[in-house]
Amino acid sequence: DIVLTQTPPTLSATIGQSVSISCRSSQSLLDSDGDTYLNWLLQRPGQSPQLLIYSVSNLESGVPNRFSGSGSETDFTLKISGVEAEDLGLYYCMQTTHAPLTFGGGTKLELK
Amino acid sequence: QIQLVQSGPELKKPGESVKISCKASGYTFTDYAMHWVKQAPGKGLKWMGWINTYTGKAAYADDFKGRFVFSLEASASTANLQISNLKNEDTATYFCARGPYFDYWGQGVLVTVSS
Repeated sequence: DIVLTQTPPTLSATIGQSVSISCRSSQSLLDSDGDTYLNWLLQRPGQSPQLLIYSVSNLESGVPNRFSGSGSETDFTLKISGVEAEDLGLYYCMQTTHAPLTFGGGTKLELK
Repeated sequence: QIQLVQSGPELKKPGESVKISCKASGYTFTDYAMHWVKQAPGKGLKWMGWINTYTGKAAYADDFKGRFVFSLEASASTANLQISNLKNEDTATYFCARGPYFDYWGQGVLVTVSS
């Protein structure tokens, strides 16, 4: 199974600060069709997960453009350019290139 | 608007069965796969498997083979998850999510297994 390792596990930020979360995969997530199926999700407290970014760098409709994704093969990054209060919660990367689908362990973004 | 609305919370005893539903609206149900995800209390997300909403064929992650069954009521745009012979470790919130990008999620169903 693909293991996704997220760092850091916890991130403390002030409002307006820019932060990054790393997701490292145990194998390349480049699919034979040429796409890389690495998504980023946010789960706010008491809520369902919400898709932020799909296929590494594509912003889901309705998601603010302060969120951006980058990376390739095994190393991926989610960046938030100017944290807002509504961004607090648990961030997960997930891969859908290889079965079984897997999630990272999560990164908790909290206010400093 | 697109919605996935799941059934309500369940309290069950070990050995019992439970059936959770996920009703889709706002899109053509059979055009998108449905995935199931488990979240134990205070833990992360775990993919359980998925069902092809057009053919009805299901695939399960290894940890969810045997007691877990995905099914459809396609005429009602509904996907179901049935868990038999419930164990304490099945206590969790179960989410349905639309494939392939997990762009819509149900609100989750808390299943509590306790004697």
